[in-house]
Amino acid sequence: QKEVEQDPGPLSVPEGAIVSLNCTYSNSAFQYFMWYRQYSRKGPELLMYTYSSGNKEDGRFTAQVDKSSKYISLFIRDSQPSDSATYLCAMSAYSRGSTLGRLYFGRGTQLTVWP
Amino acid sequence: GAVVSQHPSWVICKSGTSVKIECRSLDFQATTMFWYRQFPKQSLMLMATSNEGSKATYEQGVEKDKFLINHASLTLSTLTVTSAHPEDSSFYICSARDRGDYLNEQFFGPGTRLTVL
Repeated sequence: QKEVEQDPGPLSVPEGAIVSLNCTYSNSAFQYFMWYRQYSRKGPELLMYTYSSGNKEDGRFTAQVDKSSKYISLFIRDSQPSDSATYLCAMSAYSRGSTLGRLYFGRGTQLTVWP
Repeated sequence: GAVVSQHPSWVICKSGTSVKIECRSLDFQATTMFWYRQFPKQSLMLMATSNEGSKATYEQGVEKDKFLINHASLTLSTLTVTSAHPEDSSFYICSARDRGDYLNEQFFGPGTRLTVL
């Protein structure tokens, strides 16, 4: 079983739709949860960062973490064509000497928002 | 914000040759840099962790002698793919941790696309 599971999609939605992206994980030691956005042929950029369980909102983006279910989500409201990209979840456990240990990535979900 | 650059962005080489990829943190000091490989429609796979002034730590299955990593300064790490073969063709991405950032986030470079003919 992989550490992090993510449905690769592809996911195609109309502009203005609410998008829900999800990941599950198996390692209960994970405490830090991140969502990255990656455009084609580019490096990932950090979108959202959450520690432990709970919700975090930033503009049109909301990240949720449910540690009891080992399940994290990213919601995109009022989706735009510019949101079309691959979304990668990533997570890590605490590592002595640094706040974040190595990152474990999901496969990424390819999202297309059409006008 | 923290910026990481990579050079070159795209390289084509003949089988058997060596290729060097540079990763630089432009506006911060990075004590730790990471090298990832990403195949089409796949996730990022960590190859090695590079700490300034010490030997890199390679992930299981990654050949140390094939993927040489040097982290000689707080702003530069290099990955050299030695005797490259077509199966080494991939997207190589580095990331860096800001020494001054208490969260120790990883900031990613734009990636280098390697094509081995």
